[in-house]
Amino acid sequence: KNEVEQSPQNLTAQEGEFITINCSYSVGISALHWLQQHPGGGIVSLFMLSSGKKKHGRLIATINIQEKHSSLHITASHPRDSAVYICAARSYNTDKLIFGTGTRLQVFP
Amino acid sequence: DTEVTQTPKHLVMGMTNKKSLKCEQHMGHRAMYWYKQKAKKPPELMFVYSYEKLSINESVPSRFSPECPNSSLLNLHLHALQPEDSALYLCASTQSTGALAGELFFGEGSRLTVL
Repeated sequence: KNEVEQSPQNLTAQEGEFITINCSYSVGISALHWLQQHPGGGIVSLFMLSSGKKKHGRLIATINIQEKHSSLHITASHPRDSAVYICAARSYNTDKLIFGTGTRLQVFP
Repeated sequence: DTEVTQTPKHLVMGMTNKKSLKCEQHMGHRAMYWYKQKAKKPPELMFVYSYEKLSINESVPSRFSPECPNSSLLNLHLHALQPEDSALYLCASTQSTGALAGELFFGEGSRLTVL
């Protein structure tokens, strides 16, 4: 079992839909990151969380430390949101980032 | 300036060539990272430099040689690579390490093809 699990692996949505991507982890962490990667492109950091909730535009990220679970929500999804979204947990013990396998999102007009 | 700049963006090299990848940041970050990413896979950590000292080497083959000449610059020297080393090489930086690491900043990556 991976230390960081993401679901779903693939997600298809119509423009305007509300999207949720989930991330569960089994290690102690100092922070959890949500990252975005467009096809063939570099990685952009969306959020860094250690507790609670953060919002940036149409993106919302939450984390529940007790349940070791985080979610990324996209409101009013748009075709330009099509990308791979990666959850990465910074291990408290090793200080290394442990990556989830990513969620491939496609938003159709 | 909140950018991590990687050069070159694309590199094609033969198995006997020697080349280098370069990464630069001017955010005052003291931790810099090299990652390797194969298609449709998450990044894999290769090296971590903390305060210009190599702190993590993930058992990377010696044909990859990292160098941190100063706090803003990180190089990856490549020699005698294999075709399976073809991948996207990503550089990243954070303010520090551990609980004080802070936000992650990635470069756009250098896409390496080994013939």
